[in-house]
Amino acid sequence: DAMVIQNPRYQVTQFGKPVTLSCSQTLNHNVMYWYQQKSSQAPKLLFHYYDKDFNNEADTPDNFQSRRPNTSFCFLDIRSPGLGDAAMYLCATSSLRNRGWVNEQFFGPGTRLTVL
Amino acid sequence: QKEVEQDPGPLSVPEGAIVSLNCTYSNSAFQYFMWYRQYSRKGPELLMYTYSSGNKEDGRFTAQVDKSSKYISLFIRDSQPSDSATYLCAIARNRDDKIIFGKGTRLHILP
Repeated sequence: DAMVIQNPRYQVTQFGKPVTLSCSQTLNHNVMYWYQQKSSQAPKLLFHYYDKDFNNEADTPDNFQSRRPNTSFCFLDIRSPGLGDAAMYLCATSSLRNRGWVNEQFFGPGTRLTVL
Repeated sequence: QKEVEQDPGPLSVPEGAIVSLNCTYSNSAFQYFMWYRQYSRKGPELLMYTYSSGNKEDGRFTAQVDKSSKYISLFIRDSQPSDSATYLCAIARNRDDKIIFGKGTRLHILP
């Protein structure tokens, strides 16, 4: 089945220790998104790639970076995690080439990040 | 004022009841309205979407948009325990614009 895969599902890191979360997709979608979702909060868009073009949200901290080496993979790098960065990180994809009525986004299961 | 507001619940209803979930939004420029369902430890999945005003029905689910009052609703008929999840409303100005999510309402259907 075509899907969005996130690894690892659970990640524990220490305060200030860099961490990388990964996302892969078999949907061949041209857009990939990273969201941060804290408990009982709305998913917050951090940035997205439209093909190779990187689009950063204005309020995304510099501590968060992203890489998209090819269509299938996208990485979220947190350079110096703080306690406030503990959250669920969701990767999503969409196809804005064949979008139909709405920009449907397909989400992965998320990576839950704990910062000690 | 936040762009979209949603009561986080939790909302507990007995099996078979009609469920009403609601959101309000602040800007009349929004034209696309969506409902995502998120099961525990899973990512959200698109449940229904509506463009502009009106109703849309899909099986036991009905999405309703009232642009005059900036109010969107999701109704679930004959609710089932498997409907227990968090329901997030989402809005967008146009098809290519980013989606703005509500906080989500946690729904529990009691057997």
